[in-house]
Amino acid sequence: QKEVEQNSGPLSVPEGAIASLNCTYSDRGSQSFFWYRQYSGKSPELIMFIYSNGDKEDGRFTAQLNKASQYVSLLIRDSQPSDSATYLCAAPAGGGGGNKLTFGTGTQLKVEL
Amino acid sequence: DGGITQSPKYLFRKEGQNVTLSCEQNLNHDAMYWYRQDPGQGLRLIYYSQIVNDFQKGDIAEGYSVSREKKESFPLTVTSAQKNPTAFYLCASWDRRNQPQHFGDGTRLSIL
Repeated sequence: QKEVEQNSGPLSVPEGAIASLNCTYSDRGSQSFFWYRQYSGKSPELIMFIYSNGDKEDGRFTAQLNKASQYVSLLIRDSQPSDSATYLCAAPAGGGGGNKLTFGTGTQLKVEL
Repeated sequence: DGGITQSPKYLFRKEGQNVTLSCEQNLNHDAMYWYRQDPGQGLRLIYYSQIVNDFQKGDIAEGYSVSREKKESFPLTVTSAQKNPTAFYLCASWDRRNQPQHFGDGTRLSIL
C-alpha cells in the first residue's frame, strides 16, 4: 500500500463550483499534511498545510483532516480557470527524521468555463 | 529576495556522461532535498541533507551522488550509472521554524 494515495483524475468542475480533492494516508502516526499546487512544467507551490483534526481555511481554500479515517481533503470554493493544475498531497515519510515528505501522485484539476 | 535557485533550467546528457545540477538557497535553511519527478508521477526523494557535511540516501539514490560542503549549496550529480535519467529534478529546503518544504524552479534533464 502506498503511503499517500490520490485519485489521478482528471477532476473536471465548472467555473464557480467547489472542487473537492481527496488524499488518504497509511501512517497513523502522521501529524502534518501539505497540499501543493503544480502547474504544468512548473515546480510545486505550497498552498495549505494542516496539523490538527478539523478544518483550516485560507481564502478560497479549505483543508480538512480526519485522522480517525486517515484522509485529508482540499476544497476549493468558487473555482477559477487559474486553479486548473495538479494538486499534490504530502505527508511526513516514516522513520529517519529529516522532515522527509512522501508525495501522492497528484490529482489533475480542470476548471471549465 | 530569498529563495532557492536551481540551474540550469534545461540540461542534456550524453551517454556515459556525468552531469551536475546546481541548487543554491539563501534562506539560511538547515535541510535540503533532491526529488525526481517523472511524467504523471509524484515526487520521489533521491537524497537529503539535514546539516553541512552530512547527507542521507532517499528512496531512489542509486546512480546519483551529492555533497553538502556549504549550508547554501546542495549539488546533485547524475552519474552514468543512472540508466534512465530523463526527468524533472526538484530541489527543496526546510527550516525547523517553518515546517513546509519550499521548492526551486527545477531542472529538466534529457538524454541526447
